[in-house]
Amino acid sequence: KAGVTQTPRYLIKTRGQQVTLSCSPISGHRSVSWYQQTPGQGLQFLFEYFSETQRNKGNFPGRFSGRQFSNSRSEMNVSTLELGDSALYLCASKLVPIQETQYFGPGTRLLVL
Amino acid sequence: SQQGEEDPQALSIQEGENATMNCSYKTSINNLQWYRQNSGRGLVHLILIRSNEREKHSGRLRVTLDTSKKSSSLLITASRAADTASYFCATGRDDKIIFGKGTRLHILP
Repeated sequence: KAGVTQTPRYLIKTRGQQVTLSCSPISGHRSVSWYQQTPGQGLQFLFEYFSETQRNKGNFPGRFSGRQFSNSRSEMNVSTLELGDSALYLCASKLVPIQETQYFGPGTRLLVL
Repeated sequence: SQQGEEDPQALSIQEGENATMNCSYKTSINNLQWYRQNSGRGLVHLILIRSNEREKHSGRLRVTLDTSKKSSSLLITASRAADTASYFCATGRDDKIIFGKGTRLHILP
């Protein structure tokens, strides 16, 4: 079974631009979560989607948004990029929210200049 | 805020030795998981221990959980070069998962 895939793997943007990252979960998995990982803050939860609905949200500004499609694929969008948004963005999927174990994709490394 | 906090932040040991990492947390949990991350890539799930369990094994991994002390430890026996990675504990409660900042483990040849 194919794992979680994320595209693109690397991205360079400039301040003020916006970016969209994509995540395809493991086949059959309907819950997708997004995390931001930085050296200073570690892994921080952004949001979780299940059945096209946002279930949980972390403590991030409204510039960070996401959505999930009927095939469970998810996208996250960051508008008006700031230097501090440079990070590794990780997507994780699981069958349903109550499942304890998540399966992570390789991540998208975003650099904001 | 971070729930889990790993200790030490970094650890270097000789190949073949055992590596022990600790995780402390603040509030009650349903389960605690350990993940490995190689060099800025995605996380790989290693092992899950539930709050009513005290010890679990998986291959060369041994995890303990002491809910009275709100702490867990991950022991990797007979370490190998391929074990060089960052290790994260993640506490789970009410289907929310919170990660610690990780322990960077370096296995010396």
